[in-house]
Amino acid sequence: GAGVSQTPSNKVTEKGKYVELRCDPISGHTALYWYRQSLGQGPEFLIYFQGTGAADDSGLPNDRFFAVRPEGSVSTLKIQRTERGDSAVYLCASSLGPGTGDNEQFFGPGTRLTVL
Amino acid sequence: KNEVEQSPQNLTAQEGEFITINCSYSVGISALHWLQQHPGGGIVSLFMLSSGKKKHGRLIATINIQEKHSSLHITASHPRDSAVYICAVSGFGNEKLTFGTGTRLTIIP
Repeated sequence: GAGVSQTPSNKVTEKGKYVELRCDPISGHTALYWYRQSLGQGPEFLIYFQGTGAADDSGLPNDRFFAVRPEGSVSTLKIQRTERGDSAVYLCASSLGPGTGDNEQFFGPGTRLTVL
Repeated sequence: KNEVEQSPQNLTAQEGEFITINCSYSVGISALHWLQQHPGGGIVSLFMLSSGKKKHGRLIATINIQEKHSSLHITASHPRDSAVYICAVSGFGNEKLTFGTGTRLTIIP
């Protein structure tokens, strides 16, 4: 079956612009995670959805970042007034969800965001 | 917050050598994950373990819960094993991952 997909694969934008990054999880996975990976670093947690609700958004760096998952499947990460420091690879992962006994996370290919 | 440390940061070895990558963490966990990331590529899950040992092909992962330590071993290493190996942990009641900074492995033919 299809894995996690993310679009676009690359996004170049100018400082101050608004961007949306999309994640399509594996069908049937109730848990969805967004992470951010800066060059040479390990990924860092941003936000975690269980179904439609954000179960943990403690990793969002500030109020310019927002994410939604309105139907419990596709998720969109939204960044307002982008800054050069937002440049990174944004990774999405999905899993069957806690309580299932199997929370192995499957990662998408990432979206490389470059803010000029 | 869980602090996850990996060693070494970089490792270069000859084809065929036995490889060990180490991971330690500071706070009790529900599970530890070993992940592989190729240059320019996505992240692939290799293992998820909460106790003992798991083996898949030439890869072996072990964890010592009491010592808060895990190791990833690669037997008969091959150039295609060259990648960044990342250790990540998840806590109780919260499945988000906290990652180490990765170990860059290069296997020379």
